[in-house]
Amino acid sequence: DTGVSQNPRHKITKRGQNVTFRCDPISEHNRLYWYRQTLGQGPEFLTYFQNEAQLEKSRLLSDRFSAERPKGSFSTLEIQRTEQGDSAMYLCASSPAGLAYNEQFFGPGTRLTVL
Amino acid sequence: QKEVEQNSGPLSVPEGAIASLNCTYSDRGSQSFFWYRQYSGKSPELIMSIYSNGDKEDGRFTAQLNKASQYVSLLIRDSQPSDSATYLCAVNSGGGADGLTFGKGTHLIIQP
Repeated sequence: DTGVSQNPRHKITKRGQNVTFRCDPISEHNRLYWYRQTLGQGPEFLTYFQNEAQLEKSRLLSDRFSAERPKGSFSTLEIQRTEQGDSAMYLCASSPAGLAYNEQFFGPGTRLTVL
Repeated sequence: QKEVEQNSGPLSVPEGAIASLNCTYSDRGSQSFFWYRQYSGKSPELIMSIYSNGDKEDGRFTAQLNKASQYVSLLIRDSQPSDSATYLCAVNSGGGADGLTFGKGTHLIIQP
Protein backbone atom coordinates (compact mmCIF):
# COMPACT_ATOMS: atom_id res chain seq x y z
CA ASP A 1 0.00 0.00 0.00
CA THR A 2 1.65 3.20 -1.13
CA GLY A 3 0.93 6.54 0.39
CA VAL A 4 0.36 9.89 -1.24
CA SER A 5 3.19 10.81 -3.60
CA GLN A 6 4.19 14.25 -4.84
CA ASN A 7 6.58 15.38 -7.55
CA PRO A 8 8.90 17.11 -7.71
CA ARG A 9 10.06 17.16 -4.11
CA HIS A 10 11.93 20.40 -4.60
CA LYS A 11 11.58 23.17 -7.17
CA ILE A 12 13.68 26.28 -7.53
CA THR A 13 12.46 28.84 -10.03
CA LYS A 14 12.93 32.45 -10.94
CA ARG A 15 10.28 35.05 -10.30
CA GLY A 16 7.82 35.24 -13.17
CA GLN A 17 8.19 31.62 -14.28
CA ASN A 18 5.36 29.07 -14.24
CA VAL A 19 5.60 25.89 -12.20
CA THR A 20 3.48 22.75 -12.01
CA PHE A 21 3.31 20.19 -9.23
CA ARG A 22 1.81 16.71 -9.32
CA CYS A 23 0.05 14.71 -6.62
CA ASP A 24 -0.90 11.03 -6.75
CA PRO A 25 -3.32 10.16 -3.94
CA ILE A 26 -3.73 6.82 -2.19
CA SER A 27 -5.39 4.65 -4.83
CA GLU A 28 -8.80 4.12 -3.25
CA HIS A 29 -9.17 7.72 -2.04
CA ASN A 30 -11.55 9.88 -4.06
CA ARG A 31 -10.97 13.12 -2.15
CA LEU A 32 -7.84 15.16 -2.78
CA TYR A 33 -6.72 18.36 -1.07
CA TRP A 34 -4.00 20.95 -1.66
CA TYR A 35 -2.47 22.97 1.18
CA ARG A 36 0.36 25.47 1.47
CA GLN A 37 2.65 25.71 4.48
CA THR A 38 5.17 28.42 5.28
CA LEU A 39 7.78 28.35 8.04
CA GLY A 40 6.29 28.51 11.51
CA GLN A 41 2.71 28.18 10.28
CA GLY A 42 0.27 25.34 10.02
CA PRO A 43 -0.87 24.17 6.58
CA GLU A 44 -3.38 26.47 4.91
CA PHE A 45 -6.14 24.97 2.79
CA LEU A 46 -6.09 25.88 -0.91
CA THR A 47 -8.55 23.64 -2.74
CA TYR A 48 -10.35 20.30 -2.70
CA PHE A 49 -11.50 17.75 -5.28
CA GLN A 50 -13.99 14.97 -5.03
CA ASN A 51 -13.21 12.71 -7.97
CA GLU A 52 -12.63 15.13 -10.86
CA ALA A 53 -14.85 17.91 -9.49
CA GLN A 54 -13.22 20.87 -7.78
CA LEU A 55 -15.67 21.55 -4.96
CA GLU A 56 -14.02 24.18 -2.81
CA LYS A 57 -11.40 26.89 -3.27
CA SER A 58 -9.88 29.07 -0.60
CA ARG A 59 -9.55 32.83 -0.93
CA LEU A 60 -5.81 32.11 -0.80
CA LEU A 61 -6.04 30.60 -4.27
CA SER A 62 -5.42 33.67 -6.42
CA ASP A 63 -6.00 33.83 -10.17
CA ARG A 64 -2.39 32.77 -10.71
CA PHE A 65 -3.13 29.38 -9.17
CA SER A 66 -5.02 26.63 -10.94
CA ALA A 67 -5.60 23.03 -10.00
CA GLU A 68 -6.94 20.12 -12.00
CA ARG A 69 -7.81 16.50 -11.47
CA PRO A 70 -8.90 15.50 -14.97
CA LYS A 71 -9.59 11.79 -14.50
CA GLY A 72 -10.26 11.74 -10.80
CA SER A 73 -6.88 10.21 -10.07
CA PHE A 74 -3.76 12.39 -9.93
CA SER A 75 -3.95 16.17 -9.59
CA THR A 76 -1.79 19.05 -10.73
CA LEU A 77 -1.33 22.47 -9.18
CA GLU A 78 0.03 25.19 -11.45
CA ILE A 79 1.31 28.57 -10.35
CA GLN A 80 1.70 31.14 -13.09
CA ARG A 81 4.03 34.16 -12.91
CA THR A 82 5.53 33.05 -9.63
CA GLU A 83 6.30 35.61 -6.94
CA GLN A 84 8.74 35.39 -4.05
CA GLY A 85 5.76 35.18 -1.70
CA ASP A 86 4.82 31.87 -3.32
CA SER A 87 7.86 30.23 -1.72
CA ALA A 88 6.42 27.55 0.56
CA MET A 89 5.85 23.84 1.00
CA TYR A 90 2.92 22.68 -1.11
CA LEU A 91 1.21 19.71 0.45
CA CYS A 92 -1.28 17.29 -1.03
CA ALA A 93 -3.56 15.10 1.08
CA SER A 94 -6.15 12.48 0.28
CA SER A 95 -9.13 11.04 2.09
CA PRO A 96 -11.19 7.91 1.43
CA ALA A 97 -14.70 8.00 0.04
CA GLY A 98 -17.58 7.66 2.42
CA LEU A 99 -15.60 8.53 5.50
CA ALA A 100 -17.77 10.91 7.43
CA TYR A 101 -15.01 12.40 9.49
CA ASN A 102 -12.54 13.31 6.79
CA GLU A 103 -9.24 11.88 7.99
CA GLN A 104 -6.65 13.27 5.59
CA PHE A 105 -3.28 11.71 4.82
CA PHE A 106 -0.48 13.90 3.55
CA GLY A 107 2.16 13.36 0.93
CA PRO A 108 5.80 14.41 1.42
CA GLY A 109 5.21 17.84 -0.12
CA THR A 110 6.88 19.93 -2.81
CA ARG A 111 9.14 22.67 -1.53
CA LEU A 112 9.07 25.68 -3.84
CA THR A 113 11.72 28.37 -3.74
CA VAL A 114 11.17 31.45 -5.90
CA LEU A 115 14.31 33.51 -6.45
CA GLN B 1 -13.15 33.45 10.27
CA LYS B 2 -12.41 29.97 11.57
CA GLU B 3 -9.46 29.97 13.96
CA VAL B 4 -7.48 27.30 15.75
CA GLU B 5 -5.17 28.44 18.52
CA GLN B 6 -2.18 26.62 19.97
CA ASN B 7 0.66 27.68 22.23
CA SER B 8 3.70 27.70 19.93
CA GLY B 9 6.09 26.63 22.70
CA PRO B 10 8.64 25.28 22.88
CA LEU B 11 7.23 22.92 25.46
CA SER B 12 10.03 21.05 27.21
CA VAL B 13 9.21 17.77 28.97
CA PRO B 14 11.58 15.27 30.60
CA GLU B 15 11.80 11.81 29.11
CA GLY B 16 9.25 9.46 30.63
CA ALA B 17 6.90 12.25 31.74
CA ILE B 18 3.47 13.14 30.34
CA ALA B 19 3.38 15.83 27.64
CA SER B 20 0.15 17.83 27.49
CA LEU B 21 -0.71 19.80 24.35
CA ASN B 22 -3.71 22.09 24.09
CA CYS B 23 -5.80 23.61 21.33
CA THR B 24 -8.86 25.87 21.19
CA TYR B 25 -11.07 26.53 18.17
CA SER B 26 -13.50 29.29 17.30
CA ASP B 27 -16.16 27.58 15.16
CA ARG B 28 -18.74 26.09 17.50
CA GLY B 29 -20.10 23.99 14.63
CA SER B 30 -16.84 22.05 14.26
CA GLN B 31 -17.35 18.32 14.22
CA SER B 32 -14.02 16.56 13.63
CA PHE B 33 -10.70 17.14 15.33
CA PHE B 34 -7.27 15.85 14.51
CA TRP B 35 -3.74 15.85 15.84
CA TYR B 36 -0.84 15.68 13.41
CA ARG B 37 2.83 15.26 14.22
CA GLN B 38 5.35 17.04 12.01
CA TYR B 39 9.08 16.52 12.17
CA SER B 40 11.30 19.32 10.90
CA GLY B 41 11.37 19.37 7.10
CA LYS B 42 8.74 16.61 6.82
CA SER B 43 5.01 16.59 6.12
CA PRO B 44 2.29 16.21 8.77
CA GLU B 45 1.49 12.69 9.96
CA LEU B 46 -1.97 11.91 11.38
CA ILE B 47 -1.68 10.47 14.89
CA MET B 48 -5.13 10.94 16.45
CA SER B 49 -8.68 11.83 15.45
CA ILE B 50 -11.61 12.50 17.78
CA TYR B 51 -15.25 13.30 17.09
CA SER B 52 -17.15 12.93 20.38
CA ASN B 53 -16.78 14.58 23.75
CA GLY B 54 -14.51 12.70 26.11
CA ASP B 55 -11.28 10.79 25.80
CA LYS B 56 -9.90 8.58 23.06
CA GLU B 57 -6.80 6.50 23.72
CA ASP B 58 -4.39 4.93 21.25
CA GLY B 59 -1.23 3.49 22.72
CA ARG B 60 0.69 6.26 24.50
CA PHE B 61 -1.58 8.94 23.03
CA THR B 62 -4.87 10.22 24.48
CA ALA B 63 -6.98 12.84 22.76
CA GLN B 64 -9.54 14.77 24.80
CA LEU B 65 -12.43 16.80 23.42
CA ASN B 66 -14.71 19.26 25.18
CA LYS B 67 -17.08 20.84 22.64
CA ALA B 68 -18.77 23.07 25.22
CA SER B 69 -15.41 24.70 25.99
CA GLN B 70 -14.22 24.40 22.35
CA TYR B 71 -11.10 22.72 23.58
CA VAL B 72 -9.04 19.77 22.34
CA SER B 73 -5.98 18.30 23.99
CA LEU B 74 -3.40 15.61 23.35
CA LEU B 75 -1.61 13.73 26.11
CA ILE B 76 1.55 11.75 25.38
CA ARG B 77 2.47 9.31 28.13
CA ASP B 78 5.97 7.99 28.76
CA SER B 79 7.42 10.65 26.46
CA GLN B 80 10.37 9.57 24.33
CA PRO B 81 13.01 11.71 22.60
CA SER B 82 11.51 10.53 19.30
CA ASP B 83 8.30 12.38 20.26
CA SER B 84 10.16 15.68 19.84
CA ALA B 85 8.34 17.38 16.97
CA THR B 86 5.74 20.02 16.19
CA TYR B 87 2.19 18.93 16.97
CA LEU B 88 -0.54 20.44 14.81
CA CYS B 89 -4.17 20.64 15.87
CA ALA B 90 -6.63 20.57 12.95
CA VAL B 91 -10.37 21.07 12.85
CA ASN B 92 -12.96 20.17 10.22
CA SER B 93 -15.82 22.56 10.58
CA GLY B 94 -18.08 21.34 7.82
CA GLY B 95 -18.80 17.88 9.10
CA GLY B 96 -18.05 16.50 5.68
CA ALA B 97 -15.21 16.79 3.23
CA ASP B 98 -14.11 20.37 3.86
CA GLY B 99 -10.53 21.47 4.05
CA LEU B 100 -9.02 21.38 7.52
CA THR B 101 -8.18 24.48 9.53
CA PHE B 102 -4.83 24.09 11.31
CA GLY B 103 -3.25 25.80 14.27
CA LYS B 104 0.33 26.99 14.05
CA GLY B 105 1.52 24.02 16.05
CA THR B 106 3.25 23.44 19.37
CA HIS B 107 6.96 22.61 19.31
CA LEU B 108 7.55 19.79 21.80
CA ILE B 109 11.01 18.93 23.09
CA ILE B 110 11.56 15.75 25.11
CA GLN B 111 14.69 16.07 27.19
CA PRO B 112 16.64 12.81 27.70
